[in-house]
Parts: sequence; C-alpha cells; structure tokens
Amino acid sequence: IVMTQSPDSLAVSLGERATINCKSSQSVLYSSNNKNYLAWYQQKPGQPPRLLISWASTRQSGVPVRFSGSGSGTDFTLTISSLQAEDVAVYYCQQYYSTPPMYTFGQGTKLEIK
Amino acid sequence: QVQLVESGGGMVQPGRSLRLSCAASGFNFSNYGMHWVRQAPGKGLEWVAVIWHDGSNEYYADSVKGRFTIFRENSKNTMYLQMNSLRAEDTAVYFCARDVWRSSSYCDSWGQGTLVNVSS
Repeated sequence: IVMTQSPDSLAVSLGERATINCKSSQSVLYSSNNKNYLAWYQQKPGQPPRLLISWASTRQSGVPVRFSGSGSGTDFTLTISSLQAEDVAVYYCQQYYSTPPMYTFGQGTKLEIK
Repeated sequence: QVQLVESGGGMVQPGRSLRLSCAASGFNFSNYGMHWVRQAPGKGLEWVAVIWHDGSNEYYADSVKGRFTIFRENSKNTMYLQMNSLRAEDTAVYFCARDVWRSSSYCDSWGQGTLVNVSS
C-alpha cells in the first residue's frame, strides 16, 4: 500500500489552522470492525517519532486537543486547530492494514511557522 | 516508564554484516510485538521489520527481505536486527519501536535510534 501525503511542506501562522492530507493507494478500512488502520506521528529534529493518533481519529493520551484526525477508506486528514510554535515538526501517516504486515509510511509533511 | 535503547550501529563496508540490539525496560517485553524502522539522512521513515511477541512470526520490507533477520530474546528483554550483505542505501538511523499489540499494528514507544553508515 502506497501512502501519499500532501503537501510536502506547509507554512502556517501561529494560531491558524494547519491541515495535512494522507491518501492510501487502497482502502485501509477493515470492514469487519469498521476501523481505519491509520496512524499519525510527529517527528521533531533529532528526536524519534511520537505517536499522535491511531485508528485515524483516536488521539493518544497526552496529545493536545488541538490535534485531530479524520477520514476513512483512502483519504485522511490531520488537523492542528491553532498552530503553536512547538508544533513545528515533520508529520507522517502510516497504514497498518496490510497483510502480511508491510506498514508503509507517507513521505512526510514538514510544518513550519509563517 | 517504557525505555528502548538501541545499540550496535557504526560504520561498515558494503557487503559486510552488522547486528543491532534494542534493550527494553519498563514494561513486560514478552507481551508486545516489536518493530525496526529506519530513516536515511534527511529522508522520511521507512518501516523495516516486525516480530511478534513470542517470536512466532516475523515480516520484512521488500528492501531488506533475505538480507535482514529480526529476532528477540525475551529472557533478556532484547530484540535484534541482523543485517547482512549491507548496501550503501542501508545507511540510516535505525529505530526500534514497541507495538501496542502482541502481534503487529502501530507503535506507541520509540527508542532514540542508532546510526548505521555503510561506506567503503
């Protein structure tokens, strides 16, 4: 499954909304449980990735509420409702649907302050 | 708290071998699947391999299949990545990460990574 993010980079003003898109080459919605096997990660320079969202829209404990995930099937969105300086990072989507497991990432979206 | 510490990286010539280790602490290691993910300098994340909690199943990215082997020693709370026939394109920071399941899904905890540099 190929994961394609858009845009590759994004500059947003502090306090404004940031939207990152992720498209999968085939559906990652598992019909038997109606769950989308899609995660979002944040990676800051020199750090490992940090899990933000699983199942396309479930925010992890400790992740600020300004981060939200949406979408289903093949089209997904990560939204930061009000950009803060500490949100500058590269964001990746990843599918964990494929069988056998081959859990591909998107190419990443670099988010900067305008 | 969950801690994952990678080691074993370094500079190696093309065609040679290297073994990475991932030492886990702060959780019941034998209850979790574990992954290796790599990141070439200045590039994005690439999933490499996963091993189930009991070592019963392992899966690989096409780019490393047949050259890399993932395995674990639950008695030592340690996972490994044996890398053979290394190529320049294997140069990357290698992260180990913990799955949320006993099998394989997404990762909720990551190590800091170890750098592998394949160069003559």
